[in-house]
Amino acid sequence: EVQLVESGGGLVQPGRSLRLSCAASGFTFADYATHWVRQAPGKGLEWVSGITWNSGNIGYADSVKGRFTISRDNAKNSLYLQMNSLRVDDTAVYYCAKDIGYISSPTFDHWGQGTLVTVSS
Amino acid sequence: SSELTQDPAVSVALGQTVRITCQGDSLRRYYASWYQQKPGQAPILVIYGKNNRPSGIPDRFSGSSSGNTASLTITGAQAEDEADYYCNSRDTIDNHLVFGGGTKLTVL
Repeated sequence: EVQLVESGGGLVQPGRSLRLSCAASGFTFADYATHWVRQAPGKGLEWVSGITWNSGNIGYADSVKGRFTISRDNAKNSLYLQMNSLRVDDTAVYYCAKDIGYISSPTFDHWGQGTLVTVSS
Repeated sequence: SSELTQDPAVSVALGQTVRITCQGDSLRRYYASWYQQKPGQAPILVIYGKNNRPSGIPDRFSGSSSGNTASLTITGAQAEDEADYYCNSRDTIDNHLVFGGGTKLTVL
């Protein structure tokens, strides 16, 4: 069974940093691209970042480019999101999502349950 | 970057057919994927590519595309289909992906 378990969320002050992790199991993590998608309270889904199977191609939404860094460790079956210079409007549930293929596509066939990040003073 | 536009809300009578649309320039070149999200739950993939359903998705869900519009059709809507539906696709300009704003489906 495919499982994606996010961790690392919490309450953080504006301007500070936070690192999210996603632990994958039940599939060969190294064979698939993976993504971070967020959802602000009461709002829609927003793609945040994606990374190909070998980290060779990475993309970011304009809203986080230059502040967030996605990375993966295939040996540890883990995906990460380093979030710096956090802003109030970064407050959201952050989902880890598995791509259907090894390159980045808009098809996410498995999602984690999400981790809540709250940016507030 | 491009945008994907969805109607905020759509309703359908139980057992009837409903179409949820997604418009955007990128859809002239790329297929959309569709996700269902119920309150308090993570999204699930319901349609991708030309018209592909993941395992476990009922065949009353189907997808189509024409010009700059992608559509998700539910034929014979059930009460359990009441949810938010999101489309997403590649962006035409950058190495980005983009989601539509979502459509809240009410089954009457």
